[in-house]
Amino acid sequence: AQTVTQSQPEMSVQEAETVTLSCTYDTSESDYYLFWYKQPPSRQMILVIRQEAYKQQNATENRFSVNFQKAAKSFSLKISDSQLGDAAMYFCAFIIQGAQKLVFGQGTRLTINP
Amino acid sequence: ETGVTQTPRHLVMGMTNKKSLKCEQHLGHNAMYWYKQSAKKPLELMFVYNFKEQTENNSVPSRFSPECPNSSHLFLHLHTLQPEDSALYLCASSQEWSADTQYFGPGTRLTVL
Repeated sequence: AQTVTQSQPEMSVQEAETVTLSCTYDTSESDYYLFWYKQPPSRQMILVIRQEAYKQQNATENRFSVNFQKAAKSFSLKISDSQLGDAAMYFCAFIIQGAQKLVFGQGTRLTINP
Repeated sequence: ETGVTQTPRHLVMGMTNKKSLKCEQHLGHNAMYWYKQSAKKPLELMFVYNFKEQTENNSVPSRFSPECPNSSHLFLHLHTLQPEDSALYLCASSQEWSADTQYFGPGTRLTVL
């Protein structure tokens, strides 16, 4: 079975600090893509970052970066210099090559303290 | 309008009503998706359309009926729903039908009384 586990239902961080959200996944496939999405109170699911499993280099997008450990099936998200606008639910997801189904975790609610 | 839009944003309906959700993507994508997001549960894929053809039906009850008249528009027709169908319904689209980044709309919050 393909699953995603986000072990932290809630996290909080002080504004301007760094926070890391955890994600592990399970698949027997070797070719897949990993994503982090954020869902603020407006409910719009917004793509934060994407990682191809065949790439060893960790993806970065401005203040957002990932730590991708393929052997450990781990895909954590690091947010640097946290801002109030980063407050949201964060979902980890993956999709295997040739498939259409994104498999999502249950999400981590991130609170930013001013 | 840009990206993926959904209407209405909120919908309250009785169990005997018939209503439709609409999704439109302005990205020139070829695949469109319906997801259901319930409290305390991961997002559930409901339907996938690729070039207007349904390519996946994830064991969804027949009271949900999708329609994709062209690659830019996707509908979800609802009839005789149950209270447990209350959820956020998200539409998404992607350029390619397989393993591509999916872009989401803002969702329709559905309440079934």
